[in-house]
Amino acid sequence: SQTIHQWPATLVQPVGSPLSLECTVEGTSNPNLYWYRQAAGRGLQLLFYSVGIGQISSEVPQNLSASRPQDRQFILSSKKLLLSDSGFYLCASRPGGRIGFGYEQYFGPGTRLTVT
Amino acid sequence: GNSVTQMEGPVTLSEEAFLTINCTYTATGYPSLFWYVQYPGEGLQLLLKATKADDKGSNKGFEATYRKETTSFHLEKGSVQVSDSAVYFCALSDPASGTYKYIFGTGTRLKVLA
Repeated sequence: SQTIHQWPATLVQPVGSPLSLECTVEGTSNPNLYWYRQAAGRGLQLLFYSVGIGQISSEVPQNLSASRPQDRQFILSSKKLLLSDSGFYLCASRPGGRIGFGYEQYFGPGTRLTVT
Repeated sequence: GNSVTQMEGPVTLSEEAFLTINCTYTATGYPSLFWYVQYPGEGLQLLLKATKADDKGSNKGFEATYRKETTSFHLEKGSVQVSDSAVYFCALSDPASGTYKYIFGTGTRLKVLA
């Protein structure tokens, strides 16, 4: 099975500062990778997903961006954080290749971001 | 478009009570269905899944049956424990959508009291 690593685990940043969250995946190659945000007490919001190196699909226009510099590395960034960027950020992975049945996503432990 | 609807929480039960968390979906094709569990401060873990109609997914005493006729995938457990307290998410993946996206419900918080 896959193992998803995220860091940092927690982060407190002032408004206007930059952001870089990292996600790496073990146990698979060419995965599909996802960034989600979960606001306090709320559901999951898909932010970005990637089907390969350099291939990023954005789901929600905002001041965040994502990059995939290596096959199993996915980075979430911002040049200037907003208060509304606070939340719990989750990285997820699923087997790559063709769209198929039954493939579940594996989730990382998450990064809790507080923008002050 | 595809969507997942879950019952509103929180659901509060006494230990050893029967649990049902309702989940219904809309999809263009024949989706795969999942239940995930999230413990406080952690990521989501797959609890169970089903990939075709009438499949029953089961794990750790939890069960859910893929009902195409009612477009439902309700989560059940016969006797809950305090350790089951968590947030439960229903989700679907629909290959007919032509994307690799998963659609999640809003989550249902379960509190089990000793």
